[in-house]
Amino acid sequence: QSVLTQPPSVSGAPGQRVTISCTGSSSNIGAGYDVHWYQQVPGTAPKLLIYVNNNRPSGVPDRFSGSKSGTSASLAITGLQAEDEADYYCQSYDSSLSGFYVFGTGTKVTVL
Amino acid sequence: QVQLQESGPGLVKPSGTLSLTCTVSGGSISSSNWWSWVRQPPGKGLEWIGEIYHSGSTNYHPSLKSRVTISVDKSKNQFSLKLNSVTAADTAVYYCAREQAGTGQLDYWGQGTLVTVSS
Repeated sequence: QSVLTQPPSVSGAPGQRVTISCTGSSSNIGAGYDVHWYQQVPGTAPKLLIYVNNNRPSGVPDRFSGSKSGTSASLAITGLQAEDEADYYCQSYDSSLSGFYVFGTGTKVTVL
Repeated sequence: QVQLQESGPGLVKPSGTLSLTCTVSGGSISSSNWWSWVRQPPGKGLEWIGEIYHSGSTNYHPSLKSRVTISVDKSKNQFSLKLNSVTAADTAVYYCAREQAGTGQLDYWGQGTLVTVSS
């Protein structure tokens, strides 16, 4: 089971702002490890959306933004569009045991 | 543009060994990146399996460490995954990905390949 917890689903009307939380602990996000976010349209591979907490790869719209504080991180989508309907995952590093990368539980974003 | 492509059997018998290869094109596997395997059971979330550097250094998820081996073939620009003693719980789409060293984000992904464990 994942050590990063996300809400199973969030929804919003077109044009609205939605946020997705990623809650970790003192062995991962709280220890200062970077958080990355991925978007996955069903049936396709995940796509890097945000890296190192708040950076967008080339080609990712600035409607997507990331933040981190304490043992949690958040992904915000402003000006929600129909094409944003997908699954979203956070990722970080966990220093427990021998150390490993971990993904969040995933959040389904529905555009109403 | 870096591209990754997974290949291998789509069906493995229980207690057998799952073997997959990831071929990297558009870039060198000897670059300053790590290379990762990630899996996703049907209808479920992502799980990191492990990573390898071109030097052969590896790291594995603690829950899979006893069953996993990741190797690299620099001459073919490929890296591979072996998972032994498989059960139905190992049925998943398996992805290979390029990992940025030092920060860990997976910036390039293969399309994924479904491996089913069944007799």
